Amino acid sequence: GAGVSQSPRYKVTKRGQDVALRCDPISGHVSLYWYRQALGQGPEFLTYFNYEAQQDKSGLPNDRFSAERPEGSISTLTIQRTEQRDSAMYRCASSLGLAGTETQYFGPGTRLLVL
Amino acid sequence: ELKVEQNPLFLSMQEGKNYTIYCNYSTTSDRLYWYRQDPGKSLESLFVLLSNGAVKQEGRLMASLDTKARLSTLHITAAVHDLSATYFCAGIQTADKLIFGTGTRLQVFP
Repeated sequence: GAGVSQSPRYKVTKRGQDVALRCDPISGHVSLYWYRQALGQGPEFLTYFNYEAQQDKSGLPNDRFSAERPEGSISTLTIQRTEQRDSAMYRCASSLGLAGTETQYFGPGTRLLVL
Repeated sequence: ELKVEQNPLFLSMQEGKNYTIYCNYSTTSDRLYWYRQDPGKSLESLFVLLSNGAVKQEGRLMASLDTKARLSTLHITAAVHDLSATYFCAGIQTADKLIFGTGTRLQVFP
């Protein structure tokens, strides 16, 4: 595809509900990253994958947050039992290779609002 | 743990003027990234600086990296209104984890 895509773009949910956020990386990109961005702040790392393997999940705030990338392409970030403090912009990024010198290309984000 | 600080946080500058945004980081980061974000939009990659002394230029923007001083700069030459945006620098923690600064919000006025 032309770029990283994310869906839904906006999600409003009630506290206690589960949500699933989807990321479709640039075709052929090996690495996929999830970040969270609060208003007026820089993105904060959550987790990342090389192919289907989750390499680092140290940024996930607690065990309500999980992510998967079962076939090494599309990824889903799931938040269980959402809380108001989970409200933020969730951004996905992808990069071409594993070398670590590659640029991370960001998607448009999913804005989550928990009421 | 890597920490990244930018200054200034806000910058209002007149068209045609020059200015520099500073990005300091706390521990070793082999690479330094600069991104631009327009209001309500995603992050657009500007520069990747891979080694000490690296300098890259694109249009009115020039970025440099001094790994010994743990400092990167983004220099704006003869600013124009189209450069108004928020600029983020980011260093690399282990395993490709980008650590972002708080951003510099730039406003260029006539």
